[in-house]
Amino acid sequence: DTAVSQTPKYLVTQMGNDKSIKCEQNLGHDTMYWYKQDSKKFLKIMFSYNNKELIINETVPNRFSPKSPDKAHLNLHINSLELGDSAVYFCASSQGESNQPQHFGDGTRLSIL
Amino acid sequence: GESVGLHLPTLSVQEGDNSIINCAYSNSASDYFIWYKQESGKGPQFIIDIRSNMDKRQGQRVTVLLNKTVKHLSLQIAATQPGDSAVYFCAENSNTGGFKTIFGAGTRLFVKA
Repeated sequence: DTAVSQTPKYLVTQMGNDKSIKCEQNLGHDTMYWYKQDSKKFLKIMFSYNNKELIINETVPNRFSPKSPDKAHLNLHINSLELGDSAVYFCASSQGESNQPQHFGDGTRLSIL
Repeated sequence: GESVGLHLPTLSVQEGDNSIINCAYSNSASDYFIWYKQESGKGPQFIIDIRSNMDKRQGQRVTVLLNKTVKHLSLQIAATQPGDSAVYFCAENSNTGGFKTIFGAGTRLFVKA
């Protein structure tokens, strides 16, 4: 009965490769997010989507491209991976854009060699 | 003891004592505030929230206090248990350039048995 699930949990790859992280929520929420958490545990919003439409893009490099095929899914594709992309990426969802708590997945730890 | 949430400080408490975790938020226009708990290898988990028209809200063993005058938020945990050991984040929702959740730097709570 996982509410927000993301795959894979771990991703180890070489610099320059392209990779995707998938996220699905079964809560019936209409808003989904991607966050990046660095080694100091700092959590920063990257993107948010409401009903499949992009509403926030926080000056993330163009190499990062989110895709929302439906409101239960928000996938993250990353091109030309760089060392600085190493982090834990969290997907989250909420009902509505504002004033509602977010439900987080357990993260994808991306390590660039 | 108290701790201000910058650069992931650590708060160490004895089991059974009360814990107070503090947070300074950034935007005076923020109108919704949330505390999250993040255990190792997991995503942030919602604990309690408070809207800007309130200054105190209580849950089970947790209380959130909001002081809008000084832009300060605190989380009080009564009778702290080993299972409370985690990183705690405050977050604020603002509507600057779109509804956005901004996370504080986090405080690590360590409970000594």
